[in-house]
Parts: sequence; structure tokens; C-alpha cells
Amino acid sequence: AQTVTQSQPEMSVQEAETVTLSCTYDTSENNYYLFWYKQPPSRQMILVIRQEAYKQQNATENRFSVNFQKAAKSFSLKISDSQLGDTAMYFCAFMTTPEASGSARQLTFGSGTQLTVLP
Amino acid sequence: KAGVTQTPRYLIKTRGQQVTLSCSPISGHRSVSWYQQTPGQGLQFLFEYFSETQRNKGNFPGRFSGRQFSNSRSEMNVSTLELGDSALYLCASSLGGRTGNTIYFGEGSWLTVV
Repeated sequence: AQTVTQSQPEMSVQEAETVTLSCTYDTSENNYYLFWYKQPPSRQMILVIRQEAYKQQNATENRFSVNFQKAAKSFSLKISDSQLGDTAMYFCAFMTTPEASGSARQLTFGSGTQLTVLP
Repeated sequence: KAGVTQTPRYLIKTRGQQVTLSCSPISGHRSVSWYQQTPGQGLQFLFEYFSETQRNKGNFPGRFSGRQFSNSRSEMNVSTLELGDSALYLCASSLGGRTGNTIYFGEGSWLTVV
């Protein structure tokens, strides 16, 4: 079974600064997907960024980028130019590929990191 | 394009009652999955449906059940409610099949059991 660990329950950052959220995972599979979701106070789960394990290039979405270290099983999220609207709970999540899971879709989540952006 | 829609958004039930939650996936999405979120247990996978068939199930008692209709809309049912069932229930959809590996979530249904 896969596990996802987020060791930072809470973090804060000044507006316009950069912050990095950590995530490690454990799996015996060679190919898989990793995601970062944010959950603001509204509790809507919003996709931030996704990474496919077979791709060596780190994913980037505007101010959000990841540092994917496959050998270390590490998947950190960097938020640049932090904005007040980035305040949310951030979840790291793992998903097996359809080929390995019989096409089933199931996310395994970490416990989350509450990020507060300070004005 | 409309997102994942869940109804009702909030509800209060009494212990022993049953509840049905509804989910309409993004148009064209055939996979619908359900998650339970609680402060103590975090986010836990309940089950996933694809083309009206349950494809995967999490470690929850049989009181939790679901189904999917031919239009991909899904419902989940919890019978004989317990206080511990109080949670945010999140529905998610994806294209399914061999592609469409991104999962999108609805706003959730808040269930309070008293």
C-alpha cells in the first residue's frame, strides 16, 4: 500500500515571499501520478499541479512548481510570490497508473499542511 | 463547463437514520469517486464507480454504499448513521478509462449526525 507523508502541519509566509511545502511518499511502483491540491476555507478541493513519475521534468503552473525527486520519493511544492489567496490547506496525493490499478482511480492523501500567507 | 456538483451541501441527521448524497460529475466524465474527510482520519477513499460499476472500494463498513446511473451521476448512501459519520463527503470525477488521470472535486456535502 502507498503512503503519503506531509511532515509540516502548519506553515506561514509573508506576502510576495516564496515558500516550499514538503511531501514524501512510499511506493514500490515505478510509474504513478502525484498531485498537489489546495483546500481553502470554502473546503473546495482545487487541483494545483500534477506530476507524472515517468517525466523527469518538474511540473510548473504559473507561480507553482514542484521539485520531484523520484529516487528520494520526494515531491515538494514551491509557491513563488505568495498571495493572500494562497492561504489554504495543501494536500499532497498519490495515484497509481490505470495500467497498474485496472483503470481504477484512487487518491491517497497526506495529512495536509495549513499554509497562511501574512500581509 | 460546469464542475462537479454535489447536493445537498449541508444536512443534519439523527443517529440511526440514513442519508443519500448526490453527485453530478463534469460533463463527459465517467468515473466518479467519493471521499470522506474528518479532522481525525483526514481524507479517506470510499469507493469509485465507472460505467455504473463499482471499480474500487475503500475500507469502510457495509453501511456505506453507492451507485452510479447511466448518465454518470452518482449517489452514496449511509445507513444507520453513527455520530462518527459526521464529516465532509467529497465527490470527485475524472474521464476514466486509460487516460484522463486528473481528478476534480466538488464542493462537498457537510453531514452532521446528532
